Amino acid sequence: SQQGEEDPQALSIQEGENATMNCSYKTSINNLQWYRQNSGRGLVHLILIRSNEREKHSGRLRVTLDTSKKSSSLLITASRAADTASYFCATDDLIGSQGNLIFGKGTKLSVKP
Amino acid sequence: DTAVSQTPKYLVTQMGNDKSIKCEQNLGHDTMYWYKQDSKKFLKIMFSYNNKELIINETVPNRFSPKSPDKAHLNLHINSLELGDSAVYFCASSQEMGGEQFFGPGTRLTVL
Repeated sequence: SQQGEEDPQALSIQEGENATMNCSYKTSINNLQWYRQNSGRGLVHLILIRSNEREKHSGRLRVTLDTSKKSSSLLITASRAADTASYFCATDDLIGSQGNLIFGKGTKLSVKP
Repeated sequence: DTAVSQTPKYLVTQMGNDKSIKCEQNLGHDTMYWYKQDSKKFLKIMFSYNNKELIINETVPNRFSPKSPDKAHLNLHINSLELGDSAVYFCASSQEMGGEQFFGPGTRLTVL
């Protein structure tokens, strides 16, 4: 079953601007992860945030998690053309998927130079 | 060195054929996975394999079967291929269930 839902489905910004993507999920989780997928490539892990954490940073990435609202956001600051990719959130649905990751549909980010 | 590798990268075949996709990881991970990504980029888990325990997504047809000759390999066999099987298939691995996953480059399967 679909767990994560990203919003927006597509986002187009200029280089240097910040990009914010949101993810909502349905069940209890241990952690939430964000992945990036460049066109024609496999997914690359960006960051993992545990259910007892509220915010996490990694370079130009900032992830927040609100377990009461079952939502997360990924902020990419000072975007670059190389950030153009699809971004997916994934959660470990302990009940429905026996610990497997359930991915959302993704946000397609386009950063124009 | 490639962490998770898949072969072939492209696979074009006729309906009704049987085909296999190979996956190898050199990360020493205990768990491996197969995903299917459709034309709308939706990524769906098909199988996970951990210490000889196989977890199957109940929506996956039994024409699909994973085979693991050892901890570093999880191959995907598909029998009687159908048009709807056309997609990109990704192999992945992780040290533990629910943890960070490392993905292969994908195999684009086209069934004619």
